[in-house]
Amino acid sequence: GQQVMQIPQYQHVQEGEDFTTYCNSSTTLSNIQWYKQRPGGHPVFLIQLVKSGEVKKQKRLTFQFGEAKKNSSLHITATQTTDVGTYFCAGQGWSGGYNKLIFGAGTRLAVHP
Amino acid sequence: DAGVTQSPTHLIKTRGQQVTLRCSPKSGHDTVSWYQQALGQGPQFIFQYYEEEERQRGNFPDRFSGHQFPNYSSELNVNALLLGDSALYLCASSLRSGVAGELFFGEGSRLTVL
Repeated sequence: GQQVMQIPQYQHVQEGEDFTTYCNSSTTLSNIQWYKQRPGGHPVFLIQLVKSGEVKKQKRLTFQFGEAKKNSSLHITATQTTDVGTYFCAGQGWSGGYNKLIFGAGTRLAVHP
Repeated sequence: DAGVTQSPTHLIKTRGQQVTLRCSPKSGHDTVSWYQQALGQGPQFIFQYYEEEERQRGNFPDRFSGHQFPNYSSELNVNALLLGDSALYLCASSLRSGVAGELFFGEGSRLTVL
C-alpha cells in the first residue's frame, strides 16, 4: 500500500538557523499536504501542493513538490521559537474515486533561543 | 462557524471493554476520516466515511468500526480493547469533491487502556 516516509525524525536548531524536512512517497501522488502539530495540539493544515515541480512560499516557509510527484520538502528560513512543533507531510492518492490522506511519521523541530 | 468537535476529550477503559468516540464535522463538510495517533507517531488512517458508507479503510482490524449519520456526524467504535489501542483518536472533516482535500482536525479523544 501507499507509504510516506519523512526525515529527519527529530531536529533541534538554534534560533535563527534554517530547517528542512523531506518527504518521500512510495507511489505517485495526486497532491501533497503539510501540517503542523504543536505539542499537545492537533494537526493544522499549512499548505497543499498539486502540480509537478510546484514551489510555494508562506513568509519564512518554502514548500516544494518534486517533478515526479513522489517527494516534497519544507524549508524554514531563520527559525523562531514559534516554529516549534512536529511537521507532517501527508500524501493524497485516489482510489475508486475517494481520496485518502496518508501521513508521514513527522519531523519534530526544537528551537533553542 | 464551529469547527470539528469531538467527544469525549479524555477517557480511560480497561482491556476487553468497548468504546465509542463521537465527531461532528465542520459546517458544510460531508466527509469524515478517523485517524489513530500513538505518542510520538504520525496519524494513522483508520477509515473514511462519505454518504453514510465506509469508503476507504486503513490497516486496522475489524474491532474498529464506524458509522456516519445523515447529518454527517460520525462515530468510531472499538471493541475488545487492547493496551495497544491507547492513543489519540483524531477526527478530520473535508469535502469529498474537488482536488482541495484539506483536512480540518478536531482536538481529538485521548484513550487510555489499562
